[in-house]
Amino acid sequence: GAVVSQHPSRVICKSGTSVKIECRSLDFQATTMFWYRQFPKQSLMLMATSNEGSKATYEQGVEKDKFLINHASLTLSTLTVTSAHPEDSSFYICSARTGETEAFFGQGTRLTVV
Amino acid sequence: GQNIDQPTEMTATEGAIVQINCTYQTSGFNGLFWYQQHAGEAPTFLSYNVLDGLEEKGRFSSFLSRSKGYSYLLLKELQMKDSASYLCAVRDGNYQLIWGAGTKLIIKP
Repeated sequence: GAVVSQHPSRVICKSGTSVKIECRSLDFQATTMFWYRQFPKQSLMLMATSNEGSKATYEQGVEKDKFLINHASLTLSTLTVTSAHPEDSSFYICSARTGETEAFFGQGTRLTVV
Repeated sequence: GQNIDQPTEMTATEGAIVQINCTYQTSGFNGLFWYQQHAGEAPTFLSYNVLDGLEEKGRFSSFLSRSKGYSYLLLKELQMKDSASYLCAVRDGNYQLIWGAGTKLIIKP
C-alpha cells in the first residue's frame, strides 16, 4: 500500500509555544489530506480536510487560527499547533488520499504540552 | 444525523473466530472500511467494501449489506497480536469518512 510518513512521532513542548507536524505522502501524490486528533480510548475526530493549493476546510468547533494547516504541495501537508496549551495534548494523525483510493495513515504524533 | 455503531469491547480465545459487527446510517454511501489500531499507534487499513458480499483477505474477511446498513469483520485463527481496536468507517455521499468509536478486541490464551 501507499506510504504516508508523519513527523515527529513524539513531541513535548512548553505551554505557549508552537509545534509543527509534517505529513508526507512518499510514493504517491495526495490530492487530499486529512488531520485527525484522538484522545485516549476514543475514536478519531476529524479536524480538517486540506486540498493541495487551497485553504483547509475545518470541522465545526476546530479553531482555524490555532490549528494552522498548509498543503503547499501534492506530497506535503503541515499542521501547526499555535500557542499550545496542556489541553491540546493528544494524538494527532494525518491521512492522505489520492483520487478515489482509501486514505492511508501516517504513524501519528503524540503531542504533550507541559 | 450520521451514525456508526459497533460494540465497545469483545473478548475471544486464541485460535478461535470472532465477528465484529458494524451498523451505519449515513447520508449517502461510498464504501465501508475496517481499520486495526494498536494502542498508541495510527490505524492500519484492513479492508474495503463497496458492493454487497464478502471480501476475504487471509485470516480477515469483511462483509457488507448496503440494504441493511450492516457490515462485519470476521477474524479467524485468532492470534494474540490481533488484540487491538477495530474501527469501522463509512465514506458518505460527500466522500467524508465517518468513524465508529471502535471495538476493543481482547484475545485470551
